[in-house]
Amino acid sequence: KAGVTQTPRYLIKTRGQQVTLSCSPISGHRSVSWYQQTPGQGLQFLFEYFSETQRNKGNFPGRFSGRQFSNSRSEMNVSTLELGDSALYLCASSPGASGGKETQYFGPGTRLLVL
Amino acid sequence: QQQVKQSPQSLIVQKGGISIINCAYENTAFDYFPWYQQFPGKGPALLIAIRPDVSEKKEGRFTISFNKSAKQFSLHIMDSQPGDSATYFCAASKRAGSYQLTFGKGTKLSVIP
Repeated sequence: KAGVTQTPRYLIKTRGQQVTLSCSPISGHRSVSWYQQTPGQGLQFLFEYFSETQRNKGNFPGRFSGRQFSNSRSEMNVSTLELGDSALYLCASSPGASGGKETQYFGPGTRLLVL
Repeated sequence: QQQVKQSPQSLIVQKGGISIINCAYENTAFDYFPWYQQFPGKGPALLIAIRPDVSEKKEGRFTISFNKSAKQFSLHIMDSQPGDSATYFCAASKRAGSYQLTFGKGTKLSVIP
């Protein structure tokens, strides 16, 4: 089975722009979670989607949003980019059947640099 | 508020030695405690996980010890190898139905020959 794929792998944007990141979960997985990883704050939970519905949301401003499509693929969007949004954005997928007790499989991440 | 505290930040161990990484949590609602391993340029990968009804879990060279009363858990890597050199994260999640993981800040492990 192919793993979690994320596109693009690297991205450079300037302040004020917006960006959309994409995540394709492992085939058959219905839950997709997003995390932000920075040297200072570590790994922080952004949000989780299951069957096209946002199930949980972390403590991030409204500039961060996401969605999930019927094929379980997910996108996250960051509007009005700030320098502090520079980070590795990780997507993780899980089957979603037993809710929270299954392994989350992480993708390689998208490295976003905001100039 | 850092809900999961991890130490040390970095660790150097000789090949064949034991690597020990510690984590402490504050929220008693946490009921699932996984450890992740991350190599440069890769996403985190699950190593081993434990629930609070068990005090120890072993998988190969990796062991989690869990102390519910002290709200602490630790990862022991026996017979550490250079290939174990990576960053290790402890994590916790609160309840069934949620995949929201709260991570520690990570420990960079270097195993020297």
